[in-house]
Amino acid sequence: AQSVTQLGSHVSVSEGALVLLRCNYSSSVPPYLFWYVQYPNQGLQLLLKYTTGATLVKGINGFEAEFKKSETSFHLTKPSAHMSDAAEYFCAVSDRGTGGFKTIFGAGTRLFVKA
Amino acid sequence: DGGITQSPKYLFRKEGQNVTLSCEQNLNHDAMYWYRQDPGQGLRLIYYSQIVNDFQKGDIAEGYSVSREKKESFPLTVTSAQKNPTAFYLCASSIGRDNYGYTFGSGTRLTVV
Repeated sequence: AQSVTQLGSHVSVSEGALVLLRCNYSSSVPPYLFWYVQYPNQGLQLLLKYTTGATLVKGINGFEAEFKKSETSFHLTKPSAHMSDAAEYFCAVSDRGTGGFKTIFGAGTRLFVKA
Repeated sequence: DGGITQSPKYLFRKEGQNVTLSCEQNLNHDAMYWYRQDPGQGLRLIYYSQIVNDFQKGDIAEGYSVSREKKESFPLTVTSAQKNPTAFYLCASSIGRDNYGYTFGSGTRLTVV
């Protein structure tokens, strides 16, 4: 069965510091992997996705993530945090089962950025 | 600009009342979804539809109903059978049956009064 674990419900970094948000998944078949960002009282916005091909994926706003099959991980990183990055981030895994694709979201990690 | 419009942004429901949340998209996407978001629990799938006039239950469909009479529209009704309806509701769409990423609406916050 699918599952997604985001380590840390809250992460705090200083402005200009490295952002690292962790995501581990389980899937019985090759998955599609996603990161979404949510600002307060808004919907989710797709940051980046891995479907096939290159395992290092670049997304919007300077974020990137690397699919590591051996570690079943898809951690999100950004070299230098900006105040505008403060938001909640969701990792999601999608794989094909009977009846089509099923997508599971992690519980989310709230990122705080300190001046 | 193409996107998903959810309305209203805030909705208050009295005990025993049915309410309907609107979701309209102009992206020409085939698939549409309704998710419920509660603090600390991520998103949980209520219903989804991959083609017009067809929809499937998600993980928490009890107390909810949907219709898909037009490709552009996927309204969600929260019935009086839903005992704990206070939550943030998100509508999403995707191009087809395969998931290459969702486009989300801006959500409806439903509160029971």
